[in-house]
Amino acid sequence: DSGVTQTPKHLITATGQRVTLRCSPRSGDLSVYWYQQSLDQGLQFLIQYYNGEERAKGNILERFSAQQFPDLHSELNLSSLELGDSALYFCASSERDATNEKLFFGSGTQLSVL
Amino acid sequence: GQNIDQPTEMTATEGAIVQINCTYQTSGFNGLFWYQQHAGEAPTFLSYNVLDGLEEKGRFSSFLSRSKGYSYLLLKELQMKDSASYLCAVREYNTDKLIFGTGTRLQVFP
Repeated sequence: DSGVTQTPKHLITATGQRVTLRCSPRSGDLSVYWYQQSLDQGLQFLIQYYNGEERAKGNILERFSAQQFPDLHSELNLSSLELGDSALYFCASSERDATNEKLFFGSGTQLSVL
Repeated sequence: GQNIDQPTEMTATEGAIVQINCTYQTSGFNGLFWYQQHAGEAPTFLSYNVLDGLEEKGRFSSFLSRSKGYSYLLLKELQMKDSASYLCAVREYNTDKLIFGTGTRLQVFP
């Protein structure tokens, strides 16, 4: 158990809908990262937050947004869902945002868009 | 730009040694990580290299050559439980993003 909690574990929804994925980092960790993993692609970096502020942005679609709250949990919002958004979404956390820090990953949310 | 290359699949025999290579071209370099990911599970940290050379940790070792943009993960005394995907990830210097390769799926046979 990495200490990172993601909910829900599975989510099935329809095209055009909006969903929210939730992540609670390890106790004491200030950085939260979101990654998308599809079958034919590796882990694609979406966005990183550090202590409530956006720290780095990857190839995150405009239909996707995220935020980190004062209690350090984070939410990833996916709207106007398309079939291609079906993927495993991982959240990871680290204590700070130092470059040598390893990430601890949650068990992921499997999103299926039908 | 950013590009991280790893072989897609490898096979090996229980008890053997396997080397998984990773080459990278990124916007600056600030460290390289290896993660292990079993099917359907979360990635878990294996090793970190920021200086040239070999880092050894039990049955696993990782090597880095910054001038060549090259790293490898060496797995010794392979066990069946080592069957997993191995992900190479590079921390970009300018952006601090941690960029992952597509991973190498290793199958260990008896």
